[in-house]
Amino acid sequence: QITLKESGPTLVKPTQTLTLTCTFSGFSLSASGVGVGWIRQPPGKALEWLALIYWDDDIRYSPSLNSRLTITKDTSKDQVVFTMTNMDPVDTATYYCAHSRRLHGGVGPTSYYFDDWGQGTLVTVSS
Amino acid sequence: QSVLTQPPSASGTPGQRVTISCSGSSSNIGSNDVYWYQQLPGTAPKLLIYRNNQRPSGVPDRFSGSKSGTSASLAISGLRSEDEADYYCAAWDDSLSVNWVFGGGTKLTVL
Repeated sequence: QITLKESGPTLVKPTQTLTLTCTFSGFSLSASGVGVGWIRQPPGKALEWLALIYWDDDIRYSPSLNSRLTITKDTSKDQVVFTMTNMDPVDTATYYCAHSRRLHGGVGPTSYYFDDWGQGTLVTVSS
Repeated sequence: QSVLTQPPSASGTPGQRVTISCSGSSSNIGSNDVYWYQQLPGTAPKLLIYRNNQRPSGVPDRFSGSKSGTSASLAISGLRSEDEADYYCAAWDDSLSVNWVFGGGTKLTVL
């Protein structure tokens, strides 16, 4: 059974850097065809994809936020760490981490999709 | 504004069949698979459909997906009160760098 859980601050000040940790179980991020991504959802709004790190260390970021994002993995701890710099009140959202798997027979970064999600953590940006 | 376009709302009565559309372009739906997620109030999204029309284990066959050209649809038959939720389509987009995009979501109300 795959489980993921997000942890980190619930409140950050404008201009600060947000650091979130996704701790998972039920899979290994060193196994072929696996990834972990981050998706956020502002209150009452739609989902927005942020980043994805693959088992082979390939990384993809949202083009609109690329300059502010960093994602890393620690396979020994079964964790993925996500950072977003220069936080602004518009970044207030629930942040989810999600397991990503490669389609059967799929090739390349676009053959992955998100199946299992964490419960999410609400991050508020306010002074 | 989302890259994938969904109607903001949909509704139906118990037992009815409802469909939710998702419109994209050649750089996303036109060239990549479509995925659908269900988000019940206050919960994380749940994968409903992958690879356009495939259901993960545990998803009832009342839910079905289809894709044609640059559009996709989610159909829910035998509508139940517990289907009241937000539904999101998603796909990879190749227009810039590789980019996973979501639709704006459709709120389904069971009358």
